Amino acid sequence: NAGVTQTPKFQVLKTGQSMTLQCAQDMNHNSMYWYRQDPGMGLRLIYYSASEGTTDKGEVPNGYNVSRSTTEDFPLRLLSAAPSQTSVYFCASSEVVGRYNEQFFGPGTRLTVL
Amino acid sequence: ELKVEQNPLFLSMQEGKNYTIYCNYSTTSDRLYWYRQDPGKSLESLFVLLSNGAVKQEGRLMASLDTKARLSTLHITAAVHDLSATYFCAVEGRGSWGKLQFGAGTQVVVTP
Repeated sequence: NAGVTQTPKFQVLKTGQSMTLQCAQDMNHNSMYWYRQDPGMGLRLIYYSASEGTTDKGEVPNGYNVSRSTTEDFPLRLLSAAPSQTSVYFCASSEVVGRYNEQFFGPGTRLTVL
Repeated sequence: ELKVEQNPLFLSMQEGKNYTIYCNYSTTSDRLYWYRQDPGKSLESLFVLLSNGAVKQEGRLMASLDTKARLSTLHITAAVHDLSATYFCAVEGRGSWGKLQFGAGTQVVVTP
């Protein structure tokens, strides 16, 4: 199993450009998540999906969009990039293990918006 | 609103000595997680704590949970260089299945 994969690993955008960060998992997990990591702030949830066809906003959804048309894929779209979206983005998927949800994280995408 | 505070944010450790990282959270929680992140890498799960008084240990790391005090601790015994990393606690609020609120992280540097 490849686990959770993310592409690209690095990306530089100009302000106003749009792009999609790709995330895929091959573990047949129902739930998937997008986080951003900024220095000194830990990870913050952008969007999550409890199952194929469903999505919901997290703590910091503005400027992003997601869809979940398959179990495996959970792309994150930046609609009009802004310098404030410079960050490291992590995708995760999770499976229920007894009484908790174990999340598995991808390697991350480092995004710079100029 | 669930808030998670870690302290200290930076910890310089001497090899062989013991240290503790604290994680406080503001509202009732069902589950608390500890993660490790090496520089430039992704997050690796260390522990899941599910109930009051839960204690988990792996090697030189031991995590505990006091739900009444809304406090978790990560204790490092006889620090070694390989433990240099950033450690995060994350809390899953009651009724927020799967949605984690992370602390800011504690950057640990272990020196001889």
